[in-house]
Amino acid sequence: GNSVTQMEGPVTLSEEAFLTINCTYTATGYPSLFWYVQYPGEGLQLLLKATKADDKGSNKGFEATYRKETTSFHLEKGSVQVSDSAVYFCALSDPTTDSWGKFQFGAGTQVVVTP
Amino acid sequence: NAGVTQTPKFQVLKTGQSMTLQCAQDMNHEYMSWYRQDPGMGLRLIHYSVGAGITDQGEVPNGYNVSRSTTEDFPLRLLSAAPSQTSVYFCASSYGRPPKNTEAFFGQGTRLTVV
Repeated sequence: GNSVTQMEGPVTLSEEAFLTINCTYTATGYPSLFWYVQYPGEGLQLLLKATKADDKGSNKGFEATYRKETTSFHLEKGSVQVSDSAVYFCALSDPTTDSWGKFQFGAGTQVVVTP
Repeated sequence: NAGVTQTPKFQVLKTGQSMTLQCAQDMNHEYMSWYRQDPGMGLRLIHYSVGAGITDQGEVPNGYNVSRSTTEDFPLRLLSAAPSQTSVYFCASSYGRPPKNTEAFFGQGTRLTVV
């Protein structure tokens, strides 16, 4: 079956530091890949997505590239702010099957940015 | 612009009690689903629906029932609450089949404690 593995947290960074959160996946088909962000006490919000190999998703200074050869979708940001403190989830869905709406999530990575 | 609305936001139940978590979306999305979020485990799919009158089980369906009588509403019923059901519950909806956007939109969550 499909699965997502992401690095454990918490990740603690100083403001303006570089952030990388690793995400790898296992899928039988051709999944779409997503990064969601969860701020304290809130639901999940879509941060970015990529639907095919070599696509780069980007939003709010975050980027992730769909790497089929390494089955990875690592999240990066060049200069984090305190407001980026949140839990980040990597997720996939497989639009090539009848399960296109079913998402597989990673365990989540908490990011703490200090001033 | 309500999106996905969940009620209640917080709930405390005694073991053996039943309750219904409400979920409504106003985006005319076909696909709706319920997830539970537990520390270190990401989000796990409980039940999902691909349209009115159609529901199916996800990864962790035991102890929960769902129904989908309208496109808008997708309530989750706990039949006899157990402490193992203490969790944060999220309802999500998705637009449609590819090539439409398939990302999920999440509600704010319901924090349930069973004592």
